[in-house]
Amino acid sequence: DAKTTQPNSMESNEEEPVHLPCNHSTISGTDYIHWYRQLPSQGPEYVIHGLTSNVNNRMASLAIAEDRKSSTLILHRATLRDAAVYYCILLDNFNKFYFGSGTKLNVKP
Amino acid sequence: ETGVTQTPRHLVMGMTNKKSLKCEQHLGHNAMYWYKQSAKKPLELMFVYNFKEQTENNSVPSRFSPECPNSSHLFLHLHTLQPEDSALYLCASSPQAGGSYEQYFGPGTRLTVT
Repeated sequence: DAKTTQPNSMESNEEEPVHLPCNHSTISGTDYIHWYRQLPSQGPEYVIHGLTSNVNNRMASLAIAEDRKSSTLILHRATLRDAAVYYCILLDNFNKFYFGSGTKLNVKP
Repeated sequence: ETGVTQTPRHLVMGMTNKKSLKCEQHLGHNAMYWYKQSAKKPLELMFVYNFKEQTENNSVPSRFSPECPNSSHLFLHLHTLQPEDSALYLCASSPQAGGSYEQYFGPGTRLTVT
């Protein structure tokens, strides 16, 4: 299964942009890049996903490197409610995936 | 509120008990999933159902038995569990199985095996 590598933790100031990196050097051509986040005592929450092109939605933007070996989740203006563990995972159409340890984002007021 | 509900939210059971976890989705999705989240371990995919057919079983011990009677309901039947099975069990759904679809998770059932 293709694996992802993320920093264990990151810190940001409120109302500033946050760039969360993810490396996935063994990604295959059919793997979609998904981002989820999880608050304590809650299930993971879908953030965004993409295949090759950059993606935007109301929550975030996903920037995918041209060779697809890395991606970056961009929160345009961090709020205290964005403090969570962010998971970058690869998911193919056969449901093979690896859910790593994630990045714990701390947002300072 | 994600549209995926799980009951019970907390469960304590002995190793000889039999219990079931229930998941229901109100999103009109056709795929449902069971995951296990243990302390300090990555989330593990257990089972996948797509249009009521089981398409994935990630080498899960037989003491865990899934059931998907229709696209809206998913059960996880538990029997003769071990203490190491204590974890958060999460249910999720998506429009169909596969990487091109986002998944919506329920709040989970916190299971403690004594």
